[in-house]
Amino acid sequence: EAQVTQNPRYLITVTGKKLTVTCSQNMNHEYMSWYRQDPGLGLRQIYYSMNVEVTDKGDVPEGYKVSRKEKRNFPLILESPSPNQTSLYFCASSIITSGGGSTDTQYFGPGTRLTVL
Amino acid sequence: DAKTTQPTSMDCAEGRAANLPCNHSTISGNEYVYWYRQIHSQGPQYIIHGLKNNETNEMASLIITEDRKSSTLILPHATLRDTAVYYCIVHHKSPNAGKSTFGDGTTLTVKP
Repeated sequence: EAQVTQNPRYLITVTGKKLTVTCSQNMNHEYMSWYRQDPGLGLRQIYYSMNVEVTDKGDVPEGYKVSRKEKRNFPLILESPSPNQTSLYFCASSIITSGGGSTDTQYFGPGTRLTVL
Repeated sequence: DAKTTQPTSMDCAEGRAANLPCNHSTISGNEYVYWYRQIHSQGPQYIIHGLKNNETNEMASLIITEDRKSSTLILPHATLRDTAVYYCIVHHKSPNAGKSTFGDGTTLTVKP
């Protein structure tokens, strides 16, 4: 089954304790992206990757790191989490269209609910 | 980068058509309009997309104005399960191809 998986699904941690949220897709997609969603708001893009070893900032990258060493995986790293990073996080993947250099339909993971105390 | 504007909320009676508008007045070139929906706090789900022409699939229809500055998503026979937040977004072209801007969406409530 084609899917995007995220782990963990729920995480409660304390300020300053480094954590990693994993994201994996089995569709051989070039593009992967991380979003955060706060209550009552839409998704805001944190980082994205157009291919292996190619990453770039989205709208809210502060406090986050990513890496793309393999095509299928795109982990989100919080080196020193703070309470304002308490949020619902989504990973997504997509093909890159050959013609216009754009992403196509994005497939989203189930979300990771992170609480930083 | 093209941004989108949607009403905050809408209601629709079950069995009636739901028409969700979206303004994307700064859309340019060959940028596509995509619609997604999010039920509760699940991951957003793709609905439909289009460039210039109207599109229809098993879930919905998409009407794009001739000047491409706005579009309307139509759910022809809304059911209670269509209650969700609907997002209209523009997929950017190179060199900003990876950027993806979701607004706050429209909360559609389908009522019995």
